[in-house]
Amino acid sequence: SFEVTQPPSVSVSPGETASIACSGSGLRDSFVCWYQHKPGLSPLQLIYQNTKRPSGIPERFSGSTSGDTATLTINGTQAFDEADYYCQTYDTRTHVIFGGGTKLSVL
Amino acid sequence: QVHLVEYGGGLVKPGGSLRLSCTASGFNFGDSHMSWIRLAPGKGLELVSYTSPSGYNIYYADSVRGRFTISRDNAKNSLFLQMDSLGVEDAAIYYCARGGFWDGWGLDIWGQGSQVTVSS
Repeated sequence: SFEVTQPPSVSVSPGETASIACSGSGLRDSFVCWYQHKPGLSPLQLIYQNTKRPSGIPERFSGSTSGDTATLTINGTQAFDEADYYCQTYDTRTHVIFGGGTKLSVL
Repeated sequence: QVHLVEYGGGLVKPGGSLRLSCTASGFNFGDSHMSWIRLAPGKGLELVSYTSPSGYNIYYADSVRGRFTISRDNAKNSLFLQMDSLGVEDAAIYYCARGGFWDGWGLDIWGQGSQVTVSS
């Protein structure tokens, strides 16, 4: 089955740049979206169609792809960016699949 | 403003049933692809089910196929998830979300989530 892999955790110091990778065979042929999820809240879409930001999402969140890897980059990371981040793509049957999620810690 | 509001979560015994509802406002529900996503304790997001705008195309995750039924009433801007034969593995927060089609737009609007607890 089609699988998408993310690192379980990423740590960054305040003000630094955080990069969260998402890899899987087939990513090069599919769109990738990214979501932020904080406890007690609904997931928030950060990126769609690989690189686009929905209205209201700050420019310091950006998405990129290269081959079978997609990356979410957060510039100037702040304490309130601590959350779980999920990539999402589509499997060979064109259905939504999620990566396992990455817990971002701002230390 | 665009909103999705969910109803119907709660505590159910193993083998029991629950029906989740999701009411949309602020956008054209009848033209929208819709999905149910769940987040189980200690796990990641999982697509549970998807429906096309007309309800003609439907998808279920392998883990719920044959037990869950997705439906919609476009006249009432409502999405439903009938959950039967519930097991402890189904305990999760269930979100309705707009989207799920493979056009790359993803899931752009999410409900507040409904807690489903399965316990004897």
